[in-house]
Formats: sequence, structure tokens, C-alpha cells
Amino acid sequence: KNQVEQSPQSLIILEGKNCTLQCNYTVSPFSNLRWYKQDTGRGPVSLTIMTFSENTKSNGRYTATLDADTKQSSLHITASQLSDSASYICVVRRSNYQLIWGAGTKLIIKP
Amino acid sequence: GAVVSQHPSRVICKSGTSVKIECRSLDFQATTMFWYRQFPKQSLMLMATSNEGSKATYEQGVEKDKFLINHASLTLSTLTVTSAHPEDSSFYICSAEEPGLIEQYFGPGTRLTVT
Repeated sequence: KNQVEQSPQSLIILEGKNCTLQCNYTVSPFSNLRWYKQDTGRGPVSLTIMTFSENTKSNGRYTATLDADTKQSSLHITASQLSDSASYICVVRRSNYQLIWGAGTKLIIKP
Repeated sequence: GAVVSQHPSRVICKSGTSVKIECRSLDFQATTMFWYRQFPKQSLMLMATSNEGSKATYEQGVEKDKFLINHASLTLSTLTVTSAHPEDSSFYICSAEEPGLIEQYFGPGTRLTVT
């Protein structure tokens, strides 16, 4: 069964601290893996897209990793800011263009 | 990056009425657009895939006669919720893909409340 599982479900950290969000998937055939940030009441915004051959990709303070062998990905946020409070969603795209969505991790940054 | 807009951003309607939501790709032509709905504290759920000039493809469990999709041009897709009921209250989000690229751009969403 094609699934994407994210952990933790929610996370609270202090402003300025780092954090890492996890994504495990059982999706095939694999095309690419995406991380989205979704603010409450808004549409998702793309952070990174990684293909099979990419291990690491950065976008500012966001760094995503992908291990295609173990089918795991992580999103690391450095020096968190209050504006990082949002849901972070891992999405895996199959070769037939179908997107398999994770349930998301709700991140709260406290001052 | 490319921009996708939605209109309206929020709408309140009475039970039994119909509501139309527009999704536009502002600076690119999208042969394919997607419609999602999202309930509180849940992830996006794909409702249908809209292809310009042809009938939409609906996901299992989505009533095509209730959620009418029209992709009349390469920059506009519409979702009409017919005979809306309170259980249709949700956050509806569209997305569009640029042909040949793997990126998918999302609209800001439409909050529908049916009273």
C-alpha cells in the first residue's frame, strides 16, 4: 500500500532552536518527494522537491534529506523563527503522477 | 515562482444553494489543475483532476454530479458545489502544474461555510 507517514504529529520548540521532521514512505514507483509548508488557512507552499538521485537539498534555513534505500526523508529547520509555525507536509509523487500525501507535522515556535 | 489564484477566498452560503469557486494560473498555462478539500487538522485530499478541454477525473468517493468541474481554458478551472449542505463546509484548494515541470503550485484556498 502506498503510504506516507510523518513524525512527530506535532512539535513545540523555542524560537532560535533547530528541529528535524521525519517522513517515511512506502510508495512505488517513486518519482520525487516534496516538502510543503502550509500556514493555517492558506494553500501549501513548496519548500523542496527531491528526485531519486538527490540526497540533500537546501532552501534557506530548510534542509531536506532523502535516503531512497531506506525510503526516509527529513526536513531540518535551522534557527527557527516565529514565522516557521505551520504544518509541514511530506508528499511523494509516483511515476504515474499520483501524489501520496502525509498527514503533516504541526510545528509551533514559541518566543 | 508561478502564481495560482482562487476566488473567492471565503464564502458563506445557505443549504441547498450552489457555489462556484474559480482557480486561475496567472503567469503560465496549465493543462492540468487539481482540486483538493481539507478538513480541520487533516491533510489535503484530492477530489479530482481537471484537464483542459476534457472531462475531469474524480477520485473514488467524490460525487461528480455534486462537485462540477469545468476546465474551460488553459488558465481557468472552476469547481461548483451544487446543492450545498453543511457537511460540504471545508477548505477547498486548487493547484496547477506547468507543463514539462514537476513543480505544482497551490492556490491560497477557499473557505466554504454552508449554513
